[in-house]
Amino acid sequence: SYEVSQPPSVSVSPGQTARISCSGDSLGDKFTCWYQQKPGQSPLLVIYQNSKRPAGIPDRFSGSSSGNTATLTISATRYEDEADYYCQTWDYELVFGGGTKLAVL
Amino acid sequence: EVQLVESGGNLVQPGGSLRLSCAASGFTLSSNWMYWVRQAPGKGLVWLSRINSDGSSKIYADSVKGRFTISRDNAKNTVSLQMNSLRVDDTAVYYCTRAKTSPGFPLDSWGQGTLVTVSS
Repeated sequence: SYEVSQPPSVSVSPGQTARISCSGDSLGDKFTCWYQQKPGQSPLLVIYQNSKRPAGIPDRFSGSSSGNTATLTISATRYEDEADYYCQTWDYELVFGGGTKLAVL
Repeated sequence: EVQLVESGGNLVQPGGSLRLSCAASGFTLSSNWMYWVRQAPGKGLVWLSRINSDGSSKIYADSVKGRFTISRDNAKNTVSLQMNSLRVDDTAVYYCTRAKTSPGFPLDSWGQGTLVTVSS
């Protein structure tokens, strides 16, 4: 079965750019989306179809995908962006990454 | 406003059964595939089951195949998950989610989750 992997944690300083990767075999040939989950809350879709933002998601959030890697980029990171982030793709069924804890220090 | 509200979570003994329900509002349920996703304490997201728009196609993750059954009633705007032969490792928050009609089937709406605890 298809698998994707994420780094367990990423740290960033406020105002800087955070990049969270999601890796899988030829992932760039598939569509990837990203979810943000804050403690005690349900996941929230922040990027879909590699780079599209749902209504209400700040343009600080962007996505890209090429080769074996999809990347979620958060520009001008704020303390409120501290959360777990999950990538998800589809290979005959949903495939979730293991999640990345973003620390804003 | 799109809303998904789960109910039915509870404490149950190993080997027991539970039925989770998801009440959908704010959109036409028959337009979307629906998924159940769970999250064990401190762990990541795991998809469990998917049902297509009219209920004619259902699939399950290997971990729940043969034990869980997904269903939907578009007229009543509900999606359900019947869970039998529950195990300790089924303990998790269970989310009802809507798949966006978009490549990759992103889950664009999530319920608040319902906690299932399997313990003796």
